[in-house]
Amino acid sequence: GQNIDQPTEMTATEGAIVQINCTYQTSGFNGLFWYQQHAGEAPTFLSYNVLDGLEEKGRFSSFLSRSKGYSYLLLKELQMKDSASYLCAVVTGGYNKLIFGAGTRLAVHP
Amino acid sequence: DVKVTQSSRYLVKRTGEKVFLECVQDMDHENMFWYRQDPGLGLRLIYFSYDVKMKEKGDIPEGYSVSREKKERFSLILESASTNQTSMYLCASSPGTGYQPQHFGDGTRLSIL
Repeated sequence: GQNIDQPTEMTATEGAIVQINCTYQTSGFNGLFWYQQHAGEAPTFLSYNVLDGLEEKGRFSSFLSRSKGYSYLLLKELQMKDSASYLCAVVTGGYNKLIFGAGTRLAVHP
Repeated sequence: DVKVTQSSRYLVKRTGEKVFLECVQDMDHENMFWYRQDPGLGLRLIYFSYDVKMKEKGDIPEGYSVSREKKERFSLILESASTNQTSMYLCASSPGTGYQPQHFGDGTRLSIL
């Protein structure tokens, strides 16, 4: 079967660092996306990993280990506006078809 | 800038009605997708289309159908709406080549009474 696991909720303090983990077991793998979704809004693209290792993009970084079926999203210098849900999604086949995890709701406190 | 537009933000319908949700994208993307999003379940794929008049079932197609007569427009149809189809519906599009990000519309919150 297809399974993507993420923690349901996390809390962190403004200015801190937080790591959101994602583990997956899928029948195919053509890369992993992270999306950010603020309440009541559309998901927006954050990162894409297809090779093992760390991809850094400003305050956000994403890591992938294909052999372990594991990824994480690292958010540095947290800001209040980073309070949102973070969605992990695996590309499982052609036509850019995605399977999503249930999402992690992050609350950033002052 | 990429734009995916869904026809309604909020919609209220009655059980048994035929419901149409419309989605239009302006990026000339080949792929279009319909998802529903429910608390604790995340986004689940209902149907997708990779070209005009082409469609494929996603993970939860039962009770739904789709139509893609033009490249920019992808419609989701609830043949006979039921209360368990109350949900947030999200449309997305992406280019047809490579593994590129999907771009999402703002969603339609559909309530079936």
